[in-house]
Amino acid sequence: GQQVMQIPQYQHVQEGEDFTTYCNSSTTLSNIQWYKQRPGGHPVFLIQLVKSGEVKKQKRLTFQFGEAKKNSSLHITATQTTDVGTYFCAGRDAGNNRKLIWGLGTSLAVNP
Amino acid sequence: EAGVAQSPRYKIIEKRQSVAFWCNPISGHATLYWYQQILGQGPKLLIQFQNNGVVDDSQLPKDRFSAERLKGVDSTLKIQPAKLEDSAVYLCASSRLSGTGGTGELFFGEGSRLTVL
Repeated sequence: GQQVMQIPQYQHVQEGEDFTTYCNSSTTLSNIQWYKQRPGGHPVFLIQLVKSGEVKKQKRLTFQFGEAKKNSSLHITATQTTDVGTYFCAGRDAGNNRKLIWGLGTSLAVNP
Repeated sequence: EAGVAQSPRYKIIEKRQSVAFWCNPISGHATLYWYQQILGQGPKLLIQFQNNGVVDDSQLPKDRFSAERLKGVDSTLKIQPAKLEDSAVYLCASSRLSGTGGTGELFFGEGSRLTVL
């Protein structure tokens, strides 16, 4: 079946270090979304990427969508303690745009 | 605009009892989702509605779980009888219909935390 693999599962960094999480889909995606879930909270939408090779930035966060629209990454520059949480990617299958396939998430811990 | 409303926030029941969760999506959002999130795991889709029709319920344990979306607005998710492994947060989310504006992003409610003893 359709899968979205997300790595790493966990990442522990010192404040100020960079962080990257990667998503890889077994099928071509029409678009991919990224969400952040703080401990004890609910997922909150960060961004959606639609175009092949698209790169979007939000302050210290950089999101990329691969040329083949099968992979994506989220990079955080100079992490802060406020970045703590779990980051999920969720892709819409190109063959069935109504279906959103979630990665298992990357949990980020930041040491002050 | 008001967010996705869910109730109750917390529920503790014994196994074999029943429980119901309620969700009121953002006004005008045609698509409504129920997710189950077990501690430390990602959200697992239970059922997806578009208006009052079911789009995907392939992962809904239909022998014990049921969901309905009356008149295409609010929705209830019921578990009967509950098992220990049903202990989780039940998240409701809504989104606009694809092609009607917005990015198709999901807006989540605060969730209903269920503990089955």
